[in-house]
Amino acid sequence: SAVISQKPSRDICQRGTSLTIQCQVDSQVTMMFWYRQQPGQSLTLIATANQGSEATYESGFVIDKFPISRPNLTFSTLTVSNMSPEDSSIYLCSVDRAVNEQFFGPGTRLTVL
Amino acid sequence: QKEVEQNSGPLSVPEGAIASLNCTYSDRGSQSFFWYRQYSGKSPELIMSIYSNGDKEDGRFTAQLNKASQYVSLLIRDSQPSDSATYLCAVRNRDDKIIFGKGTRLHILP
Repeated sequence: SAVISQKPSRDICQRGTSLTIQCQVDSQVTMMFWYRQQPGQSLTLIATANQGSEATYESGFVIDKFPISRPNLTFSTLTVSNMSPEDSSIYLCSVDRAVNEQFFGPGTRLTVL
Repeated sequence: QKEVEQNSGPLSVPEGAIASLNCTYSDRGSQSFFWYRQYSGKSPELIMSIYSNGDKEDGRFTAQLNKASQYVSLLIRDSQPSDSATYLCAVRNRDDKIIFGKGTRLHILP
């Protein structure tokens, strides 16, 4: 498995502000993934972050709203910009490890007022 | 069209019995299948992966895959109260993306 940490673990933010979530992995990985899990829903992939290139966004997610950085092989950030209450969700980063399996960080629980 | 479907539950199973969780998927080109367990307020934890038709056993857990029927299941033998959680079925599709179902809430009755 992988040891993945996220900061912050939770936050309460005001409408119109931005929050940057950090994800740190204990070893180098090629790809890191950002997911959103809205209340009562399953996980939805926001984007895939590769080191040294632009993130690849899924349908319905755009870079202006969810800018991503991937400065090295163990770290990534996701920013939720110009937040609205609809952005209240749990945000999770994950990585692929050996044998095609994906492991998740502990998540960031975001509430937007 | 939903890509990975699960019954949302809750599924209530007496302690000590077998819990059976089911999942269907739409992309026939999918090759990798996963079961995650998610406790309330926690992130998903990988418990089983399966890649070929048939059964794969790991302790009290057995994953079953039938690619012809596009069906994946998870059996939990000797269910314990600590097994109470939401179980997410996930499929890596032909685009190499992992798609998650909405999960089945399992409640083990003491």
